[in-house]
This record gives sequence, C-alpha cells and structure tokens, in this order.
Amino acid sequence: AQTVTQSQPEMSVQEAETVTLSCTYDTSESDYYLFWYKQPPSRQMILVIRQEAYKQQNATENRFSVNFQKAAKSFSLKISDSQLGDAAMYFCAYRTTTGNQFYFGTGTSLTVIP
Amino acid sequence: EAQVTQNPRYLITVTGKKLTVTCSQNMNHEYMSWYRQDPGLGLRQIYYSMNVEVTDKGDVPEGYKVSRKEKRNFPLILESPSPNQTSLYFCASRIRQDSVDTQYFGPGTRLTVL
Repeated sequence: AQTVTQSQPEMSVQEAETVTLSCTYDTSESDYYLFWYKQPPSRQMILVIRQEAYKQQNATENRFSVNFQKAAKSFSLKISDSQLGDAAMYFCAYRTTTGNQFYFGTGTSLTVIP
Repeated sequence: EAQVTQNPRYLITVTGKKLTVTCSQNMNHEYMSWYRQDPGLGLRQIYYSMNVEVTDKGDVPEGYKVSRKEKRNFPLILESPSPNQTSLYFCASRIRQDSVDTQYFGPGTRLTVL
C-alpha cells in the first residue's frame, strides 16, 4: 500500500517569512496525484495545491508552491510571505490515477508568529 | 453554493446504539468518500463510492457500513458503535474526471462513543 510521511509534526514561522513543509511518499506507480490540504481550527479541509506526477513543472498557487522531486518521491510545500491566516494543520495526500483511494500523511501543525 | 453537508456536526452516544451520519453534496459528483481523522494518524479512508450502488472499502472499513442509493447522498452507518470509533469524521466528494481532481470536504462530524 502507498504511504505518505510527514516528518515534521510541528513547524513555526515568523509572519512575512517563508516556510517549507516536507512530505515523502512511497509508491510503485508511475502516474499519480499529490495534494496539500489545509485544516484551520474550524476543522474544514481546504485544498491548497495539487500536482500531477506526469508534469515536471512545479505547481504554484499565489504564495504557495511545491517542490516535486519524483525520483526522490518528495513533495514539499513552500509558503511565502506567511500570514497569520496560514496557521493551520497541513496534510499531504496521494492518489493514483487509476485507483480511487486517497492516502494522507499525519499532518504538520504550522504556527505563524506575529 | 457548491457544498458538502454533514449531519450531525456533533454527536455523543453510547456503545452499541446504532447511528447514521448523513452526507449530501449538491455538485452532482460521482465520487464520494468517508474518512476518519485521529491524532497522530492523519485521515484514513473508511469507504468510498464511485457512483450510485457502487461502493468499496478503504483502509479502515471495519465497524462501518455505507450505502449509495442516490447520487447526492452517502450516509455512514455505525451498526454497533464502540469507543474506538470516537473520532472526527469527514465526508468528501469529487468529480470522477482525472483532469479535474478536486476533492471537496464537508465540515466534519465529531463523534464520541461512551
């Protein structure tokens, strides 16, 4: 089975600074999707960014970007110009293109320091 | 407004008392799924459904049942709840088109089984 590992249970960043959250995954598939979800204190799950494995170009969404290293099976999230509203739990997730199961990491709790 | 709704949002019950958590989406999505979230374990998939009358087990299906009689609804049934099913539950839906792979989550249901 696929596994998703987030090795940083907690991270903190100064407001306006940049922070990178790590994610690695294990799979034998060649094509798949990767996601970062944000879960604020409200507990809602919000999609931050997604990456198709067949695309070499790293996905970006405003202040959020990823560093996708397919050979290393690494998918880190970079948050630039951090804002207080970025404080949340962040989950990395994986899905194959052929299957219908999602696999989530254990999450990284991000604190933004004013 | 496109959304996934869950009811109830909070539930405290006792061991063995059957309960149902409802989930409904108004986006005509084919795919729906249930997850549970536990501290240190992230989100784990319980069941998913690819269309009406088509359901399949996720990683942690034991003790749960689902049904998909209508496209918009995907209830989660606990026939005989036990304390180890105390958790935060999320329903999600997505379009079953790999070119548009966005999963929409409901607000979550906090279940406590005494």
